Amino acid sequence: AQSVTQLGSHVSVSEGALVLLRCNYSSSVPPYLFWYVQYPNQGLQLLLKYTTGATLVKGINGFEAEFKKSETSFHLTKPSAHMSDAAEYFCAVSDTGNQFYFGTGTSLTVIP
Amino acid sequence: DSGVTQTPKHLITATGQRVTLRCSPRSGDLSVYWYQQSLDQGLQFLIQYYNGEERAKGNILERFSAQQFPDLHSELNLSSLELGDSALYFCASSASPGRTDTQYFGPGTRLTVL
Repeated sequence: AQSVTQLGSHVSVSEGALVLLRCNYSSSVPPYLFWYVQYPNQGLQLLLKYTTGATLVKGINGFEAEFKKSETSFHLTKPSAHMSDAAEYFCAVSDTGNQFYFGTGTSLTVIP
Repeated sequence: DSGVTQTPKHLITATGQRVTLRCSPRSGDLSVYWYQQSLDQGLQFLIQYYNGEERAKGNILERFSAQQFPDLHSELNLSSLELGDSALYFCASSASPGRTDTQYFGPGTRLTVL
């Protein structure tokens, strides 16, 4: 069975500081992994995804994530936080049956 | 703007009632997904349709049903509503049904069951 764990339901960083949002997954098949962002009163928007190939994936808005099979992790990072990054972030995994499993989300606050 | 539209934006109804949520996918997208987002359950995948056919099923209750019409819009029907069905319901669409395809999410329908 597939599942996703996001450590830290709330993360606060100072503007300009490193953003690190943690995601660990459990999958019985090679995982396809996703990070989505949700701004207030909006739907989810894809930040980046890992399917196969290069384990370091670059996404939109300066975010990137690294797939580490040995650690079953797919942590999201951004070198320098911006006020506009404040949002809810969701990690997700999909299985071969086209089902998608989301983490419980991490709310990112950026302190000026 | 993702190009996915959902109506209505808000819906308030009573327990035991039935409602229909509507989703129009992005132009050209053949696949539609439905999700439920609630405070206690988080974001849950409900069901996926591709070109009118059910493709994948997640945690969808028997009281819920969905369909995708020939014009590719989709409807999610929720019946015998309970207080716990109060949630934000999202629709997403993608060009094809593969699990790697980028899904584009609509703004959601907020359902309140009183």
